[in-house]
Amino acid sequence: KAGVTQTPRYLIKTRGQQVTLSCSPISGHRSVSWYQQTPGQGLQFLFEYFSETQRNKGNFPGRFSGRQFSNSRSEMNVSTLELGDSALYLCASSLGGVNTQYFGPGTRLTVL
Amino acid sequence: GNSVTQMEGPVTLSEEAFLTINCTYTATGYPSLFWYVQYPGEGLQLLLKATKADDKGSNKGFEATYRKETTSFHLEKGSVQVSDSAVYFCALTPREGGSEKLVFGKGTKLTVNP
Repeated sequence: KAGVTQTPRYLIKTRGQQVTLSCSPISGHRSVSWYQQTPGQGLQFLFEYFSETQRNKGNFPGRFSGRQFSNSRSEMNVSTLELGDSALYLCASSLGGVNTQYFGPGTRLTVL
Repeated sequence: GNSVTQMEGPVTLSEEAFLTINCTYTATGYPSLFWYVQYPGEGLQLLLKATKADDKGSNKGFEATYRKETTSFHLEKGSVQVSDSAVYFCALTPREGGSEKLVFGKGTKLTVNP
C-alpha cells in the first residue's frame, strides 16, 4: 500500500506570495492532519480534517487555511507569506477514530 | 493543558551502549502515547505506541512503558546501532472529542558512533 505523499517536496517563495501544499493520504484513510516543523518551535499542530470537515485547528493565524476533498486528499494554503513561515510542513493520515497517524515526507518551504 | 517534556540532548553513544530517553507528559484526559523517529531529510515514522496504563510498546528493540502514576513514557534500547542515529520525538494524543491531534516534545537527537 502506498504511503502518504506530499507535493511538492521543495518550494521557494518570496514574502507576500501565497502557497498551496498538497497531501494524498494512504488509501482508505479518512483523517488528515497537518503539522509545521521549525528548529525553534518544533512540531506544531495546524489542522485536522475528517471526511471533509475540519475537526480541530491549532493556534495559527488566519493566513493558514486548509481543506479536504471527497477523496480524502487535502490541501493547505498559506497567504501573504512571511519569513517565519519557512518550515517543513508535514501531513499525516489515519483511519480516524484515534488511530495511528502515518506521516508523509513533508514539503520544505523556504520564504525569501 | 496537554504537553510533553523530553530530554533534549543531543545524546551521543557508542555502538552497543544502552539508551534511555526520558519523556514525561501532562494531559487533561487519558492520552495515548507515542514515540516517533525522524531520520535526516525524512518525515516522521511511528516507532511504538501505548494506549493505556502499564501497556508496553516495543519495536526494533526499542521499548517504552506507559506509567500513569509517574506520567512518563521513557524510551529504552539495550544495544544501540549506528543506524539508530536520528531524532526521537515523544508525543501524546489527548483523545478529546474524537480528535487525533498529536502534541509533541521538542525532540532528542541521538548520534551513535561506531
